Amino acid sequence: QLVLTQSPSASASLGASVKLTCTLSSGHSSYAIAWHQQQPEKGPRYLMKLNSDGSHSKGDGIPDRFSGSSSGAERYLTISSLQSEDEADYYCQTWGTGTHVVFGGGTKLTVL
Amino acid sequence: EVQLVQSGAEVKKPGESLKISCKGSGYSFTSYWIGWVRQMPGKGLEWMGIIYPGDSDTRYSPSFQGQVTISADKSISTAYLQWSSLKASDTAMYYCVRKGIAVAELLIDYWGQGTLVTVSS
Repeated sequence: QLVLTQSPSASASLGASVKLTCTLSSGHSSYAIAWHQQQPEKGPRYLMKLNSDGSHSKGDGIPDRFSGSSSGAERYLTISSLQSEDEADYYCQTWGTGTHVVFGGGTKLTVL
Repeated sequence: EVQLVQSGAEVKKPGESLKISCKGSGYSFTSYWIGWVRQMPGKGLEWMGIIYPGDSDTRYSPSFQGQVTISADKSISTAYLQWSSLKASDTAMYYCVRKGIAVAELLIDYWGQGTLVTVSS
């Protein structure tokens, strides 16, 4: 079964970097994912597509501070030079056969 | 600029019907699938289903099959999500999303601003 697992919370200091993790279930380590950001009281925004080889393509207007990488079944979102507006929920998303879409449970990032 | 603009918040009573909308602009509406995502209060994102406005091909998540109807009117670049009989448990924010152009990928590349549906007696 295709499942995405995320830690419920993470925190980092203003100006620092943080690396969020999304883990694909067993047997699905070759899957690409997407990262989405949901700021408080706002709708989500597409950040990037992240492939299993670590290559990624970002959405319109996404700052260079956001980058992605991969290792095995893990997909990472790294945010550098953290700003207050980066405090948000971050969701990973992937797809299975047909039109089966899966979301991770989300990680709530707190900027200290 | 690609935009998905959704209809406004709704307050309904249990048993009532409802149809919310999502208007696409800034791209060829008939060439991209449009999906719907539910977010219940304080919870994560759930996939509901998707439609291809070009030919109205519609697919539902098993969890939502029979519970909602997804449709589209390509003449006005608008997709819809409707309920025939609302329940209190339908209270949630609903987002329309656009699927990217790659055929084999169900990657969401744009989101609407959301429509809050509140069902209460």
